Amino acid sequence: DVVLTQSPLSLPVTLGQPASVSCRSSQSLVHSNGNTFLSWFQQRPGQSPRRLIYRVSNRDSGVPDRFSGSGSGTDFTLKISRVEAEDVGVYFCMQGTHWPQLTFGGGTKVEIK
Amino acid sequence: QVRLVESGGDLVKPGGSLRLSCAASGFSFSDYFMTWIRQAPGKGMEWISYISGDSSTIYHADSVKGRFSISRDNAKNSVYLQMNSLRAEDTAIYYCTTVSSSSIDYWGQGTLVTVSS
Repeated sequence: DVVLTQSPLSLPVTLGQPASVSCRSSQSLVHSNGNTFLSWFQQRPGQSPRRLIYRVSNRDSGVPDRFSGSGSGTDFTLKISRVEAEDVGVYFCMQGTHWPQLTFGGGTKVEIK
Repeated sequence: QVRLVESGGDLVKPGGSLRLSCAASGFSFSDYFMTWIRQAPGKGMEWISYISGDSSTIYHADSVKGRFSISRDNAKNSVYLQMNSLRAEDTAIYYCTTVSSSSIDYWGQGTLVTVSS
């Protein structure tokens, strides 16, 4: 099975400062069709998850442009350019390349210092 | 807009059964793969089951294979999860989600299943 390892587990950030979350895969996430099916989700306290990024770097509709995704192969990053109070929550990655096994990273808790 | 509403979560004894339902609206339901994802207390997300739009393709994770069964009724815009032989480790919030292009688009609000004597 594909294992996704996120770091750090916890990320205290000052308002207005950048934040970065890493997601590393135990196997390449490049599909045979050339696409890389790595997504990022945000789960605010008490809410359901919401997708922010799909296929590594594509922002979902309505997602602020301070969120960006990058990476390739086995190493991926979610960046928040300037953290706002509403960004507090848990962020996790998910791979869909190795269908039918969908797997998730363990999550990174972003909090305000 | 897309709406997914789960129901059926409850407190059940080990070895018991439960059926979860998910009512969908706001999109062409029969065109979408649907999944059940769960989140145990203090743990990360775990994919459980998914089903294709026409029910011809079904997969279950090894952790629930033989105990859980996913189904759908496109006339009712609903997907179900029949859970049998429940164990303490099945305690979790269960989410219904849509799937497209090998990613999860939308999540429901979740329903809590607690397995305890």
